[in-house]
Amino acid sequence: NAGVTQTPKFRVLKTGQSMTLLCAQDMNHEYMYWYRQDPGMGLRLIHYSVGEGTTAKGEVPDGYNVSRLKKQNFLLGLESAAPSQTSVYFCASSMQGGYQPQHFGDGTRLSIL
Amino acid sequence: GDSVTQMEGPVTLSEEAFLTINCTYTATGYPSLFWYVQYPGEGLQLLLKATKADDKGSNKGFEATYRKETTSFHLEKGSVQVSDSAVYFCAISNFGNEKLTFGTGTRLTIIP
Repeated sequence: NAGVTQTPKFRVLKTGQSMTLLCAQDMNHEYMYWYRQDPGMGLRLIHYSVGEGTTAKGEVPDGYNVSRLKKQNFLLGLESAAPSQTSVYFCASSMQGGYQPQHFGDGTRLSIL
Repeated sequence: GDSVTQMEGPVTLSEEAFLTINCTYTATGYPSLFWYVQYPGEGLQLLLKATKADDKGSNKGFEATYRKETTSFHLEKGSVQVSDSAVYFCAISNFGNEKLTFGTGTRLTIIP
C-alpha cells in the first residue's frame, strides 16, 4: 500500500554540490510530477512526465533536470545546488493528466547552505 | 492561462465552528475543480472534487459546489474539529491539460 514514495526525506547540501531525489510509484500511473513548496507560494511545478521516457518543463524548471527511464520512477536532479533551491519537494503521480486527481508523496525537505 | 485565487490565511476557529474557505478561478471551458488537504509533515491528499457545473463534492463532512456562474468552488464544513487543522489547497485542471493549477493554500487552525 505504498503509493508514492520519496527518498530521501531530509537532506542538507552545501552550495555547488549535486544530488538526486528519487520518486517511486506502485500504481502504474502514466503521469508523474515534481513540485516545490515554499512559504506563501503554494506548489510550483518544476518538471513533469506523461509517460516512460518523456519529460517536460513546468513553471520553474531552471537549475533542475529530470529523467523517467522506468515508468515507476521519476528522478529529480540538482547539478549545482544553490541556496534558492532550499525548499520542500513533492512528487506526485496520476493515472492521466488533467481531470485525474494526483497522488502525492510525503515530501523531501532540502536545505542548501 | 488558468489561475486560482483562494482565501488568504491563516484562519483560526474554535472547535464546532462553521468553516468557509473561498476559492475562485479563471479558466477557459469547463475545468475540473479539486480541494486538497495537507496535514503537518505530510504530502497533499485529495479531499474532494467536482467535474461539472452544480456538482457537489463531499468528503469527511466537507463540501464544495461547482458554481460556473461565479467561477467559484468554496469549501465548507458545518462543525470543524481539532483534527481538521491543516493547509487546504484549491486546484483546477482543464481537459487536455496535463497539469493542475494550485492556489497558494489556506492554513486552518482549530482550537479546542
